[in-house]
Amino acid sequence: EVQLLESGGGLVQPGGSLRLSCAASGFTFSNYAMSWVRQAPGKGLEWVSDISGSGSSTYYTDSVKGRFTISRDNSKNTLFLQMNSLRAEDTAVYYCAKTGYYDSSGYNHFDHWGQGTLVTVSS
Amino acid sequence: QSALTQPASVSGSPGQSITISCTGTSSDVGGYNYVSWYQQHPGKAPKLMIYDVSDRPSGVSNRFSGSKSGNTASLTISGLQAEDEADYYCSSYTSSSTLYVFGIGTKVTVL
Repeated sequence: EVQLLESGGGLVQPGGSLRLSCAASGFTFSNYAMSWVRQAPGKGLEWVSDISGSGSSTYYTDSVKGRFTISRDNSKNTLFLQMNSLRAEDTAVYYCAKTGYYDSSGYNHFDHWGQGTLVTVSS
Repeated sequence: QSALTQPASVSGSPGQSITISCTGTSSDVGGYNYVSWYQQHPGKAPKLMIYDVSDRPSGVSNRFSGSKSGNTASLTISGLQAEDEADYYCSSYTSSSTLYVFGIGTKVTVL
C-alpha cells in the first residue's frame, strides 16, 4: 500500500524559512517523479514543484522560483521542500503527491496523495 | 499561467447524471491528453478519479467518466449518490513555464 506522510509544517514569520518532508513507502520511490501541491485556506489546488525520480531535474511554479527548493533522498525514500523568504500568500496545506507513470515529469497525473501539512506565514 | 476554468458549482438529484466542464487552451487541455480529475471531500486529501482524459484508476466507480473536445475536458458522474458530494478539480500538463495547471474547482451538491 502506497503511503505518503508529510511533516514539518507550522507557524513562521514572513521572511522566515521552513523545511517540509514527505516519507514515502509502499512503492519503489526512485522510480517516480514526485510533486508538491498546495491549497490555501478555502481555495483550490495549486501545483508548486516537481522532481524527477533521480532528482536530476526540478520544476517550479513561477511564484516560488528562487525561494523554494525541492529535493529527494532516494536512500531514505523521502521528499523535501525547503521554503525560504516565506510570504503570507504561501500560507496553505502542502501535499506531497506521487506521479502515476514511471519517471515522467509533466506528462503525468497524481495517483497518491499524502494527508498534507499546514504552513502558516504570519507575524 | 491561469487556472483552468470550471463552473463554481453543479448540483443534481440522486440517480441523475451531471457533467463538470474544464476549459483551458491549446497549451494545456487542448494540446495534450494528460487531463486528470480529482475528488476532494472536506478536510481530506484529493483522490484521483480520472487520468489521461478518460482512464479510470482501479477501484474508482465506473459511474465516473471523462472526455475531451477541443480545449474543454469534461467529467460526468452518472447515477449520482450522496457520497459524490465533494469538490472536483481538473488538471492538465501545460507547455507553459508551469508544469501542471489545476482548475479552480467545482463544488458538487447532491440535492
